[in-house]
Amino acid sequence: AQSVAQPEDQVNVAEGNPLTVKCTYSVSGNPYLFWYVQYPNRGLQFLLKYITGDNLVKGSYGFEAEFNKSQTSFHLKKPSALVSDSALYFCAVRVPSKGGGYNKLIFGAGTRLAVHP
Amino acid sequence: ETGVTQTPRHLVMGMTNKKSLKCEQHLGHNAMYWYKQSAKKPLELMFVYNFKEQTENNSVPSRFSPECPNSSHLFLHLHTLQPEDSALYLCASSQIGLYTDTQYFGPGTRLTVL
Repeated sequence: AQSVAQPEDQVNVAEGNPLTVKCTYSVSGNPYLFWYVQYPNRGLQFLLKYITGDNLVKGSYGFEAEFNKSQTSFHLKKPSALVSDSALYFCAVRVPSKGGGYNKLIFGAGTRLAVHP
Repeated sequence: ETGVTQTPRHLVMGMTNKKSLKCEQHLGHNAMYWYKQSAKKPLELMFVYNFKEQTENNSVPSRFSPECPNSSHLFLHLHTLQPEDSALYLCASSQIGLYTDTQYFGPGTRLTVL
């Protein structure tokens, strides 16, 4: 079965420290992976994606993610956390639809990031 | 976030009411999606419209009825809902055919069913 797991419900980080939000996946074929962020009372905002090429992907707001095929992981990282980074983060993997013609996103359950001053 | 807009942002309705959620995308995309986001549950894909044709219905109850009159507009018509239907309803759009077809989301409609 194709799935995405975010093993941590919440991650707590002090401002200025590096942060990591974990994601592992299970798909057949080459994975297309995404990270989205959701601020309170807002929709999901696209952060970054991995399709192919360099395993380190850079995205919006200073975030980056590292694709590791052997560990089937796509962890989100940032060198120095800000209080304003506090939000809900979703990892997703793209899979083909049953009928073809478009691709679906399977989302993880989300990880709440809390950055403390 | 202004690429995909949703109205209303908040909606409170009784179980016997009929209401509609509206989504509009300004990105020139050809596919639109409805998702349901409930507390402590992963996002659930409800409907997909590809080139205005419904291509997926994820076993959604018939009290939810989608409509896609053109590639820029998507509606979700609601009738005789249940309290467990209270959730954040998210609309998204993407350009199918591109290598990545990244989905872009609207701000959502927070629905409360009394």
